[in-house]
Amino acid sequence: NAGVTQTPKFQVLKTGQSMTLQCAQDMNHNSMYWYRQDPGMGLRLIYYSASEGTTDKGEVPNGYNVSRLNKREFSLRLESAAPSQTSVYFCASTKDRGDYGYTFGSGTRLTVV
Amino acid sequence: LAKTTQPISMDSYEGQEVNITCSHNNIATNDYITWYQQFPSQGPRFIIQGYKTKVTNEVASLFIPADRKSSTLSLPRVSLSDTAVYYCLVAAYSSASKIIFGSGTRLSIRP
Repeated sequence: NAGVTQTPKFQVLKTGQSMTLQCAQDMNHNSMYWYRQDPGMGLRLIYYSASEGTTDKGEVPNGYNVSRLNKREFSLRLESAAPSQTSVYFCASTKDRGDYGYTFGSGTRLTVV
Repeated sequence: LAKTTQPISMDSYEGQEVNITCSHNNIATNDYITWYQQFPSQGPRFIIQGYKTKVTNEVASLFIPADRKSSTLSLPRVSLSDTAVYYCLVAAYSSASKIIFGSGTRLSIRP
């Protein structure tokens, strides 16, 4: 099993550009999450999707949008990138919202210049 | 959500047992305690979870005293590959969507 797959692994954007980070899981999990991790910091929840068809804001949602395309895929979009969004982005999934056995992807390292 | 406090960093040597303690004084009745491990350039990896007393798996043990205001992750006979950041999380199943990862404990293992 591939687990959680994120694309791309690296990306450089100019301020104001937009892009979508892709995430897909093949474990038949119901819940999916997007986190960001700044250097030397813990992870902060951006958005989550408890189940297909639902999305909710996390701790730091400003500047981001998400789409739960289907049960497998959960994308994160930056409409107008800012330098403050330079970070490593992790997608994760769990069987259910109340399950703490997160499976994380390997991350997308995003730099906004 | 219960706030957690962990040491910022710890050092040890190969073959030693390492204990990382996490304080969570305002833990709620429904909260579980979960530990994750993160290597550089990788996402966190689930290690162990517990509610009370002791939990053991093939990787680690988790000790939780009766008052549950702290917990200790025990890594037996560490190796260089155990060098990583370890996160302690405390939350109820119903609030999994609001889990906050703190800064964690940076564990360095030396030969």
